[in-house]
Amino acid sequence: DTEVTQTPKHLVMGMTNKKSLKCEQHMGHRAMYWYKQKAKKPPELMFVYSYEKLSINESVPSRFSPECPNSSLLNLHLHALQPEDSALYLCASSHPGQGEYEQYFGPGTRLTVT
Amino acid sequence: GENVEQHPSTLSVQEGDSAVIKCTYSDSASNYFPWYKQELGKRPQLIIDIRSNVGEKKDQRIAVTLNKTAKHFSLHITETQPEDSAVYFCAAKGSSASKIIFGSGTRLSIRP
Repeated sequence: DTEVTQTPKHLVMGMTNKKSLKCEQHMGHRAMYWYKQKAKKPPELMFVYSYEKLSINESVPSRFSPECPNSSLLNLHLHALQPEDSALYLCASSHPGQGEYEQYFGPGTRLTVT
Repeated sequence: GENVEQHPSTLSVQEGDSAVIKCTYSDSASNYFPWYKQELGKRPQLIIDIRSNVGEKKDQRIAVTLNKTAKHFSLHITETQPEDSAVYFCAAKGSSASKIIFGSGTRLSIRP
């Protein structure tokens, strides 16, 4: 299996809702990432997990809460989002080992906050 | 801080011609440079990458060159085809082993 999967594909939520995005990979990768991508912009790193531990938080607001339950799964819990948080949320994975840097992206969840 | 600049932002070429996209990076310690292709509504897809111990790498119609001294790297697509139309992002691995810095992207259009 050489794929990263994400659910749901689309999500519409109100500013008072709580929802979660899910990501799964079965490539044996031990680093997983959350990116946010606005239209016509590059992916913007949010969080990195390495060996199930949070290693990078790019000063993301606390209304975004990541979780890595095991080496194959990555969640992003959303609460009290703002309309400007509407974007494509991409998950990626890679080997965290020395010299193995290739990141593979999932198809993304398109989030709309109303 | 770490920065990757990418040019041009848009590029239109005749089908069959070549396309070149250029990037510069700021961190002299960067040693890994991937290129991603993103079609409309789809995920970024790794198409080729190069490491700092190599000056050039080729995969069929795609090639990447790296000039470490000048901190430049470029993507070359030859014999362009309609399916090459997409947004292309260059990137460079930053000081963290897990973090890559993306360029701003180039929208490539292939004219029939």
